[in-house]
Amino acid sequence: ETGVTQTPRHLVMGMTNKKSLKCEQHLGHNAMYWYKQSAKKPLELMFVYNFKEQTENNSVPSRFSPECPNSSHLFLHLHTLQPEDSALYLCASSQDLWRGADTQYFGPGTRLTVL
Amino acid sequence: DQQVKQNSPSLSVQEGRISILNCDYTNSMFDYFLWYKKYPAEGPTFLISISSIKDKNEDGRFTVFLNKSAKHLSLHIVPSQPGDSAVYFCAASMNTNAGKSTFGDGTTLTVKP
Repeated sequence: ETGVTQTPRHLVMGMTNKKSLKCEQHLGHNAMYWYKQSAKKPLELMFVYNFKEQTENNSVPSRFSPECPNSSHLFLHLHTLQPEDSALYLCASSQDLWRGADTQYFGPGTRLTVL
Repeated sequence: DQQVKQNSPSLSVQEGRISILNCDYTNSMFDYFLWYKKYPAEGPTFLISISSIKDKNEDGRFTVFLNKSAKHLSLHIVPSQPGDSAVYFCAASMNTNAGKSTFGDGTTLTVKP
């Protein structure tokens, strides 16, 4: 596997379920990101991790719980979600904390539907 | 307040012609601007970037122009090819806000054969 992978690619869950999204990067990068893309809205940064430490929580509700056990893996634990949380969740990584001069590499995303 | 805006949700051009995608921003503190391309069922992929100290950057068929006084950047694709059909996002970042990026809504480009 190369690049950034995300599993599952599609997820349908009820509001009372607990599920987790997984992201893995095979690029040796130090920083990882979760983004949310809702329909007809720009990508919204949710969380940033640098060397496994969370450096940014962009006012994300606590029903979204990230976990970064090492620099290669990033999880997003979901519980008691709302239908408005249905969106495409994208994971990305960059060599170091992104300053714009280098680039972020994105995974294909997980399409989440909350019923 | 949306700091990065792409006011055209879609654009359609003929193969071989020029495609011009536009992006406006409000924050004069942005240091870097990037364009990403996204195909359906894939994540965005980096296309080209420009530093705020430059006004033009070229990479093959892709050129990005930055007009700081107008707070406007544009992506030119020439000649356009059917494989360029995708959603294009512009993004901006500040060196003082490492790790944070602000994206536009995206413009769907369709290149007709």
